[in-house]
Formats: sequence, structure tokens, C-alpha cells
Amino acid sequence: NAGVTQTPKFQVLKTGQSMTLQCAQDMNHNSMYWYRQDPGMGLRLIYYSASEGTTDKGEVPDGYNVSRLKKQNFLLGLESAAPSQTSVYFCASSSLPGQLLAEAFFGQGTRLTVV
Amino acid sequence: GESVGLHLPTLSVQEGDNSIINCAYSNSASDYFIWYKQESGKGPQFIIDIRSNMDKRQGQRVTVLLNKTVKHLSLQIAATQPGDSAVYFCAENMVSNFGNEKLTFGTGTRLTIIP
Repeated sequence: NAGVTQTPKFQVLKTGQSMTLQCAQDMNHNSMYWYRQDPGMGLRLIYYSASEGTTDKGEVPDGYNVSRLKKQNFLLGLESAAPSQTSVYFCASSSLPGQLLAEAFFGQGTRLTVV
Repeated sequence: GESVGLHLPTLSVQEGDNSIINCAYSNSASDYFIWYKQESGKGPQFIIDIRSNMDKRQGQRVTVLLNKTVKHLSLQIAATQPGDSAVYFCAENMVSNFGNEKLTFGTGTRLTIIP
């Protein structure tokens, strides 16, 4: 019952460093999402992917890039990390909304600190 | 639409009482809605969903009501327990300009159960 797996769980970066957050799902879902959640606040959509090979911007895409080369993986990249990107990042996947069990499943989160 | 980047509203309820959490959604074309529960340090977890052709749906101790006229969604939790303390988010299924579907989350409400 792996579901959605995010790696790493914790990361500290220096300003200007780059890194990639990894997300894998084993439920054969078409849609995948990256959200960020700042302390005491709600989830904000960074990017999403409706299917393998397609991506679209969410509410807060600046400073991030994504790739969906395989259906089961959705990668979130930070090219030049900034302190404003300190947050908890959640990956999620779902079958196409409207079908049975179409709710999104979330990973456990990646806590990123940029110093 | 939902305000983003604002601190979460809070609701305190006595243990055993019923609680009602409200959510306003932005897109009249949204056709699928989900409530999530997020406990401290964890990713959001699916509670219940409802499609736009329904006004009410019941689960175990939870009921979701949908009022499409005023674009309002509510989550009722009966006989609250300490384990119900969490942040609750509503999410709507929106169709983007490119025909892709994505889930967009509301700001969330922090529910605290008072023993």
C-alpha cells in the first residue's frame, strides 16, 4: 500500500542551490499535483499534470519547474532556491475527477528549509 | 475565489457536540467537491466527496451539503471526538482553459475539540 511517496522527507538548502523533489505513485493515476503549504496556511497549487507528458501552472509557479516524463513520477525542481521557498511541499495524485474513488491521495510531505 | 495566503480561520467545539465547517467555492462550473482532513505533521486525508448533481451526502459521522445557488459547501461532523481536531480543507474540481481538470483547495479551517 505505498500510494504516494515523496523523497526526501526533509531538506535544508542554501540560497541559490538547486534541487529536485521527487514524487512517485503506484495507483496508475492520470493526474498529479504539487502543492506548498506555509505555516498556518492552506495548500497552494504550484503545478499540476493531467496526464503523462503534460503540465500546467497553478497559483504559485514562479521559481519552480516540473517534469512528468513517466506516468508514475512527477518531479518538482527548484533551480535557484530562495528563503521564500521555505515550506512544506505535498505531492498528490488522483484519477480523473468524476470517476469512482477520484479523491486525491497525498504524500507525507517534504519539509524544505532554505537558509 | 478562495483567499490564499491568509491565516486559517479556527473553530472550537466541545467534545460530543456537532460541528459545521463552511467553504465557499469560486467556479460555478465546478462539478466535484472533496473534503480533506489534515492532522499536524501529516498530508491531507480524504474524508468525503460530493458531485454537483447531489445536494447532500452522508458518511460515517460526517455529512456534506452542497448549495450550488450560492456556491457553498459545508461539512458537518456529528458527536465530535478529540481525534477530530485537525485542519479541514474543501477542494473543487475545476476545468482549466485547456480542458485539463485540477483540484483547487480552499484556505482551510482549524477545528479544535475541547475535552
